[in-house]
Amino acid sequence: NAGVTQTPKFRILKIGQSMTLQCAQDMNHNYMYWYRQDPGMGLKLIYYSVGAGITDKGEVPNGYNVSRSTTEDFPLRLELAAPSQTSVYFCASSYRAAVYEQYFGPGTRLTVT
Amino acid sequence: GENVEQHPSTLSVQEGDSAVIKCTYSDSASNYFPWYKQELGKRPQLIIDIRSNVGEKKDQRIAVTLNKTAKHFSLHITETQPEDSAVYFCAATNSDTGRRALTFGSGTRLQVQP
Repeated sequence: NAGVTQTPKFRILKIGQSMTLQCAQDMNHNYMYWYRQDPGMGLKLIYYSVGAGITDKGEVPNGYNVSRSTTEDFPLRLELAAPSQTSVYFCASSYRAAVYEQYFGPGTRLTVT
Repeated sequence: GENVEQHPSTLSVQEGDSAVIKCTYSDSASNYFPWYKQELGKRPQLIIDIRSNVGEKKDQRIAVTLNKTAKHFSLHITETQPEDSAVYFCAATNSDTGRRALTFGSGTRLQVQP
């Protein structure tokens, strides 16, 4: 199993540009999550999904959108990138609920200038 | 919603000493408390977790204790080694009310000096 994969690893965006961060898992996990981690800070939940077709906002959803058309994929869309979105983005998945271990992807380091 | 506070933000110990990281949570209904370790430039990984029906759990040099009355839980690392150097995150959630995500603390950077 590849586990949780994310692409790209690094990206530099100009202010106002848009992009999609890709996340996929091959563990047949129902739950998937997107976090952002600012330098020296903890993990803030952006969006999460409890299954295909179901998504919900986390703590910091503004400026982002998600979709979950399949169990495997959970892309994160940034519209109109702003410097405040400079961060490391982690995707994670868990088997059924938050009380199961979350498996994290390797992260995407995004810089908005 | 749940709020998790973590202390200290940085911790430096000598190799072989013990390290203790403490977290408090706000929602008395929270019932699951994992700890994640993140090495520099790497992804977070679960190292130990505890559920509210247990007061203490141990796995080799790592232990976690939970005080439900005081709403705090702690990570204890004994006989620290340089490879324990990392950022440690605590988290909490309540699986019974349908809350479906973890709330993380702000992290503790542990440095083990050889």
